[in-house]
Amino acid sequence: SAVISQKPSRDICQRGTSLTIQCQVDSQVTMMFWYRQQPGQSLTLIATANQGSEATYESGFVIDKFPISRPNLTFSTLTVSNMSPEDSSIYLCSTDDRGDYGYTFGSGTRLTVV
Amino acid sequence: TQLLEQSPQFLSIQEGENLTVYCNSSSVFSSLQWYRQEPGEGPVLLVTVVTGGEVKKLKRLTFQFGDARKDSSLHITAAQPGDTGLYLCAGLNYNFNKFYFGSGTKLNVKP
Repeated sequence: SAVISQKPSRDICQRGTSLTIQCQVDSQVTMMFWYRQQPGQSLTLIATANQGSEATYESGFVIDKFPISRPNLTFSTLTVSNMSPEDSSIYLCSTDDRGDYGYTFGSGTRLTVV
Repeated sequence: TQLLEQSPQFLSIQEGENLTVYCNSSSVFSSLQWYRQEPGEGPVLLVTVVTGGEVKKLKRLTFQFGDARKDSSLHITAAQPGDTGLYLCAGLNYNFNKFYFGSGTKLNVKP
């Protein structure tokens, strides 16, 4: 399976600022996904990112708040913009490198907004 | 609303005990996965089941996919502290071509 390097692993940010999270995959993958997860809870899909097209956002998430880039088949970024304490969460990227058989995840970014 | 409901939500047991975690839905899934997540890490895929009624074994873990492909269970025999973590099921909805994650079961195995 693919290996995903996600960074930063954690950050503490001031409200009103923005943070960009990066995910690097060691192989080319078609689709990448960004999730949000409260500690100990399930995952909520933010958006799906395909190379060469705009990301597709799930209900409740908008591009202005969570702009995503997918410049090539091995890399993607998620920016959390104009942060508020409610954005404090774990953010995870993943790929469908195993197709219908499951996802590979990055190790996550634990974000705290103060 | 959660498309996939897991039960129990929390489970704290002694080392050596057996346990079962359930994943239920009213929707049919093309395939279903189970993941385990440890603190500070992303979820790690344990198994994928694709056929109704399928049973897969992974050492002390037994996974079953319901006949109607709407539910699944994970049974752990003789749990060990290393089994501690958050267990997540995820189902692939063929119509929407996306995975939906369950509500999660937090397992703590005490030595």
